[in-house]
Amino acid sequence: NAGVTQTPKFRILKIGQSMTLQCTQDMNHNYMYWYRQDPGMGLKLIYYSVGAGITDKGEVPNGYNVSRSTTEDFPLRLELAAPSQTSVYFCASSLQRLNTEAFFGQGTRLTVV
Amino acid sequence: QKEVEQNSGPLSVPEGAIASLNCTYSDRGSQSFFWYRQYSGKSPELIMFIYSNGDKEDGRFTAQLNKASQYVSLLIRDSQPSDSATYLCAVSSSARQLTFGSGTQLTVLP
Repeated sequence: NAGVTQTPKFRILKIGQSMTLQCTQDMNHNYMYWYRQDPGMGLKLIYYSVGAGITDKGEVPNGYNVSRSTTEDFPLRLELAAPSQTSVYFCASSLQRLNTEAFFGQGTRLTVV
Repeated sequence: QKEVEQNSGPLSVPEGAIASLNCTYSDRGSQSFFWYRQYSGKSPELIMFIYSNGDKEDGRFTAQLNKASQYVSLLIRDSQPSDSATYLCAVSSSARQLTFGSGTQLTVLP
């Protein structure tokens, strides 16, 4: 049972480059989330989705875009990478909002140089 | 005011002691409250959740919720060195977001 799968695990980008972080889940969860975690800090919500075709901004959406064309996939797009986007990115999913566990992917460590 | 605040760490306790972790939240419409544990370099993993006022116990862990005070806590009894990790409080808000606090780093000293 794969759960939540993120790719890649590590990536180094140059300033101004773009990339897509992939996230897929095989648990048929409706809710999916993208977080970033800076060193020694908690998780900050970038974007979330409550179902296919529906996305909403979180606390720190600037510089990112998402799409949710299927229940399984929730890619995160970085346009014009900046050093401030150096972070660890986690994708998570849950069956519904209330009283259910959010399952996390293994994270993507991104460095922008 | 941050939506979810946790007591600043780091927190150190001796092995066998009780570790107390605290969390407050600002959205009175919040309905579900979670405690996650995160080992260094790893993903967060759920310890327990609570949604009714009072205490909820699971083994050595007890979550306490007081909605009137907008306060959630986690007690770890008989703390073990393997409990050393960062503990994240998360709140499911009325805006359908799952919001995390900044975490409290716990070290259990042998």
